[in-house]
Amino acid sequence: LAKTTQPISMDSYEGQEVNITCSHNNIATNDYITWYQQFPSQGPRFIIQGYKTKVTNEVASLFIPADRKSSTLSLPRVSLSDTAVYYCLVRAAGNKLTFGGGTRVLVKP
Amino acid sequence: GAGVSQSPSNKVTEKGKDVELRCDPISGHTALYWYRQSLGQGLEFLIYFQGNSAPDKSGLPSDRFSAERTGGSVSTLTIQRTQQEDSAVYLCASSLGGGGYTEAFFGQGTRLTVV
Repeated sequence: LAKTTQPISMDSYEGQEVNITCSHNNIATNDYITWYQQFPSQGPRFIIQGYKTKVTNEVASLFIPADRKSSTLSLPRVSLSDTAVYYCLVRAAGNKLTFGGGTRVLVKP
Repeated sequence: GAGVSQSPSNKVTEKGKDVELRCDPISGHTALYWYRQSLGQGLEFLIYFQGNSAPDKSGLPSDRFSAERTGGSVSTLTIQRTQQEDSAVYLCASSLGGGGYTEAFFGQGTRLTVV
């Protein structure tokens, strides 16, 4: 299973863009890259998923370079309610979902 | 139901007692996961069920932990002879399939406290 490395924590301010980069150097051909968000006292929530290039939805964008050895989650114009832990996962079909330590994002006023 | 349902939401038990935690996945979801999360920590994988395949039990921390999934739907996680270090939030998730491009939906968790 591909191991992921992401920063332990990040601070930002309201209205700024937050970019979290996840390294997954030994990603396999069949692996997809998925990001989850977890608020305190809640289960994680799916944010976005991609295989290559760029994916955008109403919540975030996911940038994946051609070599797929890293990915960057971009949260545009964050608000206080975006304070959460963000997890990067790499997974192929049929495999279990394995969460790392995640990145704690603190959005300040 | 509309989402993954876990019960009870909170459980306090005495050391040495057995506990059962229940998970009702989203109807039609073939994949089901159990995780454990201690305060301020990440999610620790416990067990993974996918359809009729043998479950992946590689994350169960000891033989005191077991889980079953009846009829491909409801799952029960059993912890025998509970210890204080078992105190944590136990999270269940389900997904439509086991494919790489699938979204897992999580329940609210069961907060287990062993006293």
